[in-house]
Amino acid sequence: DQQVKQNSPSLSVQEGRISILNCDYTNSMFDYFLWYKKYPAEGPTFLISISSIKDKNEDGRFTVFLNKSAKHLSLHIVPSQPGDSAVYFCAASSEFTSGTYKYIFGTGTRLKVLA
Amino acid sequence: KAGVTQTPRYLIKTRGQQVTLSCSPISGHRSVSWYQQTPGQGLQFLFEYFSETQRNKGNFPGRFSGRQFSNSRSEMNVSTLELGDSALYLCASSLDENQPQHFGDGTRLSIL
Repeated sequence: DQQVKQNSPSLSVQEGRISILNCDYTNSMFDYFLWYKKYPAEGPTFLISISSIKDKNEDGRFTVFLNKSAKHLSLHIVPSQPGDSAVYFCAASSEFTSGTYKYIFGTGTRLKVLA
Repeated sequence: KAGVTQTPRYLIKTRGQQVTLSCSPISGHRSVSWYQQTPGQGLQFLFEYFSETQRNKGNFPGRFSGRQFSNSRSEMNVSTLELGDSALYLCASSLDENQPQHFGDGTRLSIL
């Protein structure tokens, strides 16, 4: 059961335009969401996070939006740059009955920014 | 500040063997998590250790085990290797729960 879904395996965007990466989740108990970027042969790098008490968080060119009613979050990159070409993972966490947290990751979206 | 270090970077084993992977977290981080990444499956959570105790565990068979030492370094062991265990194994550390995790570059394990 995939609790965090990234339904678009790939996305191509022209340099300078906006990139929008989407993520859906099924567990309403998730209360913390993160985006990671991964280059080939490297581990994922943390980009930006958002708590469920917010609906938007911004950091430079990266903005994450959270729509709790739709169980949907998105990552906007403006303007997109060729160096942004990578695989992007969304992740979610919640406090399970054991009182500990664990992160559930989506399957990733490969973004290609065309020069 | 040094990042998360995983050794070895690459490993080739045959079916039935066992393997131990190592992870050194960022200094001061006490939480260490392990993930398996395979094509099309994203990152699958294996387990998380905090202060030498396993706090949480994913849905993997008992052949996958781990431990954490007093200096927060962690090891992951896989016994009786199967072809399906071929994957990139990633270690991540964080200060504590619900904090961003910082990943190492992974160990790519190939089973022949």
